[in-house]
Amino acid sequence: QVLLVESGGGVVQPGRSLRLSCAASGFTFSSAPLHWVRQPPGKGLEWMTSVSSDGVRKFYADSVKGRFTISRDTSKNTLFLHMDNLRREDTAMYYCARGSPAWSYFDSWGQGTLVTVSS
Amino acid sequence: QSALTQAASVSGSPGQSITISCTGTRNDIAHYGSVSWYQQHPGKAPKLIIYDVSHRPSGISDRFSGSKSDNTASLTISGLQADDEADYYCASYSNALSFDWVFGGGTKLTVL
Repeated sequence: QVLLVESGGGVVQPGRSLRLSCAASGFTFSSAPLHWVRQPPGKGLEWMTSVSSDGVRKFYADSVKGRFTISRDTSKNTLFLHMDNLRREDTAMYYCARGSPAWSYFDSWGQGTLVTVSS
Repeated sequence: QSALTQAASVSGSPGQSITISCTGTRNDIAHYGSVSWYQQHPGKAPKLIIYDVSHRPSGISDRFSGSKSDNTASLTISGLQADDEADYYCASYSNALSFDWVFGGGTKLTVL
């Protein structure tokens, strides 16, 4: 079955950087678009960024454009999220999700990794 | 403020039916057939329960159904069960400014 396992979260000071990883298995990694969605504590879901199956097309929410970078490594079946210049409002659970081929929904989710931005 | 509007909470008794609405705009729900719904139990990851407005993934009970009219999507849960108590989120593709995904603020379902 599809398995997505996030890692890399932790406590980081404002202005610092962090890289999240999402190890994928159970499907053909190179055939699926992938996404990062976050959820601040006690709040709702917020789409962050997406990457096409071939890694060429990348899209970002305005709130993270210029600070976050999505990438994928097919040789490692892993999705990454590099986060620079972190702000307190970036504190959230970060989920990776597999997208449908037509980009119309998120069909599998990882368990999430918590990022806390605090001094 | 979320781009899609959902009621904060809804409740029902076991066996009853409830409907959760999700209101968007002409740039998202009204324009695209990509509405999806996610169920999230406390401390757990979201789970897809409806995609493309009204389709159920394999393994999802037929007690869950979805529909759409103009800029409003709806999720109906019939024959409420205790395990249905969770948060429910709607989502849609949006092109208001650029490639974008928007979520509703979530609805907390309480089974009385």
